[in-house]
Amino acid sequence: EVQVVESGGDLMQPGGSLRLSCAASGFTVSSNYMSWVRQAPGKGLEWVSLISNGGSTYYADSVKGRFTISRDNSKNTLYLQMNSLRAEDTAVYYCATSPTGAKFYFAYWGQGTLVTVSS
Amino acid sequence: EIVLTQSPGTLSLSPGERATLSCRASQSVSSTYLAWYQQKPGQAPRLLIYAASTRATGLPDRFSGSGSGTDFTLTISRLEPEDCAVYYCQQYGSSSWTFGQGTKVEIK
Repeated sequence: EVQVVESGGDLMQPGGSLRLSCAASGFTVSSNYMSWVRQAPGKGLEWVSLISNGGSTYYADSVKGRFTISRDNSKNTLYLQMNSLRAEDTAVYYCATSPTGAKFYFAYWGQGTLVTVSS
Repeated sequence: EIVLTQSPGTLSLSPGERATLSCRASQSVSSTYLAWYQQKPGQAPRLLIYAASTRATGLPDRFSGSGSGTDFTLTISRLEPEDCAVYYCQQYGSSSWTFGQGTKVEIK
């Protein structure tokens, strides 16, 4: 069974850094497309970043230059390094995955981890 | 960037009625690149439809997707109480993934 579990969300001050993790089971992160999607409180969904099975990375303009997506194949885990945090980064961050050939949509989702940026 | 506009914002219907949700793109989207999701309160989104009309594994056949170009539709043929949720369309284009703002379906 495909499963992803996020962790690492916390209350952070503006300008701070945080790393989110997404532990995968039932598949290998290096074989799938892995993404982060966020949802601000009471708002809609916003794609944040994706790493392909080949290792190519993509970012939304709103986080480009501040966030870095990566994976550790030995731990079968996806990460999102978040630097220079802003109040508008406050959201539930979901990890999502899709199998090879299905990079156009997000097939499986975790339950999310909450990041709050506030002074 | 392609902008997706969903309508209506809220749909209030009775059980057994038909729900028609619209997703309009600011420019043409390949049908291969259009998906729909359901998000119930307090839950993560769930993939319903991909490639505009292909149902995800296990999805009841009362859910169907259609459309092409700039106009796409999600139809729930006979609403059930558990269909109360927010529904999002999503597209892929130019190495970017975007979502519509969502349609809330309420059951009377």
